[in-house]
Amino acid sequence: AQSVAQPEDQVNVAEGNPLTVKCTYSVSGNPYLFWYVQYPNRGLQFLLKYITGDNLVKGSYGFEAEFNKSQTSFHLKKPSALVSDSALYFCAVRDQGGDMRFGAGTRLTVKP
Amino acid sequence: GAVVSQHPSRVICKSGTSVKIECRSLDFQATTMFWYRQFPKKSLMLMATSNEGSKATYEQGVEKDKFLINHASLTLSTLTVTSAHPEDSSFYICSARDLRGDYEQYFGPGTRLTVT
Repeated sequence: AQSVAQPEDQVNVAEGNPLTVKCTYSVSGNPYLFWYVQYPNRGLQFLLKYITGDNLVKGSYGFEAEFNKSQTSFHLKKPSALVSDSALYFCAVRDQGGDMRFGAGTRLTVKP
Repeated sequence: GAVVSQHPSRVICKSGTSVKIECRSLDFQATTMFWYRQFPKKSLMLMATSNEGSKATYEQGVEKDKFLINHASLTLSTLTVTSAHPEDSSFYICSARDLRGDYEQYFGPGTRLTVT
């Protein structure tokens, strides 16, 4: 069965600094990887996905993620954080045809 | 992009009553819909997978008689919490997978259920 781990409950960065939210996964076969963001009392908003192709995936709001097969990682990155990026971020993994499984979430706080 | 709606967004009910939550895919057809439950500051827990025209598949530990799921059409799935108790209070989120085989799942905005 597929699983995903987000090792950090909380990430704090200063506005303007680069940010990284970590994610590692375990899946049989080729992984389908996703990042979602959740604001308080809201549903999940899609940021980006990796299915195949270029390991560097660019998504919404300036976010990007790099698929690293050897390290089974899919870390979310942004070159310059904004205060408005503060939210809960979820990494998710799915094998082909399977259900999507979510990580525990990482709360990102960007301070002015 | 594809839109999934949920109704109601918030509901308060008394213990022992039942409450129905609707999940609709507005601009696409979804043979498969998913129901998640999210506890405060926690991740999403998959409750069940709903397939149009057939019985839902429940995850281990989820009571199927308590959380009734119906997926009567390609655009609508409902979750009914029966005989609600305060411990059922939670944030429920539905998700739909596009019939066209897009690997992405689209999520509804969630429903906040409070049982008093």
